[in-house]
Amino acid sequence: NAGVTQTPKFQVLKTGQSMTLQCAQDMNHEYMSWYRQDPGMGLRLIHYSVGAGITDQGEVPNGYNVSRSTTEDFPLRLLSAAPSQTSVYFCASSYSTQYGGDTQYFGPGTRLTVL
Amino acid sequence: DAKTTQPPSMDCAEGRAANLPCNHSTISGNEYVYWYRQIHSQGPQYIIHGLKNNETNEMASLIITEDRKSSTLILPHATLRDTAVYYCIEAGGTSYGKLTFGQGTILTVHP
Repeated sequence: NAGVTQTPKFQVLKTGQSMTLQCAQDMNHEYMSWYRQDPGMGLRLIHYSVGAGITDQGEVPNGYNVSRSTTEDFPLRLLSAAPSQTSVYFCASSYSTQYGGDTQYFGPGTRLTVL
Repeated sequence: DAKTTQPPSMDCAEGRAANLPCNHSTISGNEYVYWYRQIHSQGPQYIIHGLKNNETNEMASLIITEDRKSSTLILPHATLRDTAVYYCIEAGGTSYGKLTFGQGTILTVHP
């Protein structure tokens, strides 16, 4: 299994540009999430999904859209990039274990700079 | 805001046990304690989780106090590769992929 994959690894945008960060998992996990991590900070939840066709907002959703048309893919769209969105973006997928609780698997991250 | 409290940093000698504490005094009855770590700039890595019993896996042991208000993650024989930020997180039995990360503890393992 490839696990959770993210593309691109690095991206530089100009203010106002839009782009989509790709995330895919091949573990048939129900739940997928997007987090951002600013320098020296912990991760903050942007959006999450509990299954195909079902998404919801996290702590910092403004400026981002998501959709989940398949179990495997969960793309994150930046509508109009701003310098405040300069960050490292992590995608994760998870499942509920048979003895209770979840286990999240994280991708390697996308490092985004907005000029 | 994160609901857990961890020391900002700790040191450990290579080969010794690393004991990382976490306070979660407001944890509710159906919430689990999860531990993740983040090595350098990589994505976080799951370590272990538990509800009320002590747990052990190939990576670590988790000791939860009887009142469940605090826990300790134990890395039995720390190596240089265990240098990382360790996050203690409380979340429901099914978190649906929603975890609240705090600042974590920076563990530095010295030769």
